[in-house]
Amino acid sequence: SQQGEEDPQALSIQEGENATMNCSYKTSINNLQWYRQNSGRGLVHLILIRSNEREKHSGRLRVTLDTSKKSSSLLITASRAADTASYFCATDRFIQGAQKLVFGQGTRLTINP
Amino acid sequence: EPEVTQTPSHQVTQMGQEVILRCVPISNHLYFYWYRQILGQKVEFLVSFYNNEISEKSEIFDDQFSVERPDGSNFTLKIRSTKLEDSAMYFCASSASTGADTQYFGPGTRLTVL
Repeated sequence: SQQGEEDPQALSIQEGENATMNCSYKTSINNLQWYRQNSGRGLVHLILIRSNEREKHSGRLRVTLDTSKKSSSLLITASRAADTASYFCATDRFIQGAQKLVFGQGTRLTINP
Repeated sequence: EPEVTQTPSHQVTQMGQEVILRCVPISNHLYFYWYRQILGQKVEFLVSFYNNEISEKSEIFDDQFSVERPDGSNFTLKIRSTKLEDSAMYFCASSASTGADTQYFGPGTRLTVL
């Protein structure tokens, strides 16, 4: 079944460093989205990359997508303490016109001041 | 900026009781979703809803669950007879269209079944 899996499961870095999180999936997708979740809170959408795109930027975020390897990466540059959160990739497919997201387990990112 | 809202933020109920979780999607959105996240686990799809009917539902979404859009703004998830294992964070989401479109999530309702 289609599934996003992130690695590493946990990542701890110093403020100012770059953080890279990876996501792999098993089946073909239409789009891949990255979300952030602060502890016990809601999911905040970060970026959507379409299956025909290879790279996308948004502020300090850079997302790549390699459909041949069925993988994506999220790079956060110049990390800040406020970036501490869990990050999830979500792949989607369409069923009868509806878009269903399948989430990975997430990467817990800790930025140390 | 428009956002999805959910009420209540926290619901505590006794096993076997009915609960209704409420969501107000973004106003011009047409597609609505419910997901849940059991503590420490991944977010799981429950159901999608479009044009006043269910588009798809997961295996989790059994006969105890139902969804409704009772008016032009609210979208509800009802659990008829709650079980202990229904304890989770429930997220509502909406999107303007299908296709390459972002799903915007609400802050969630934490359901605790005792």
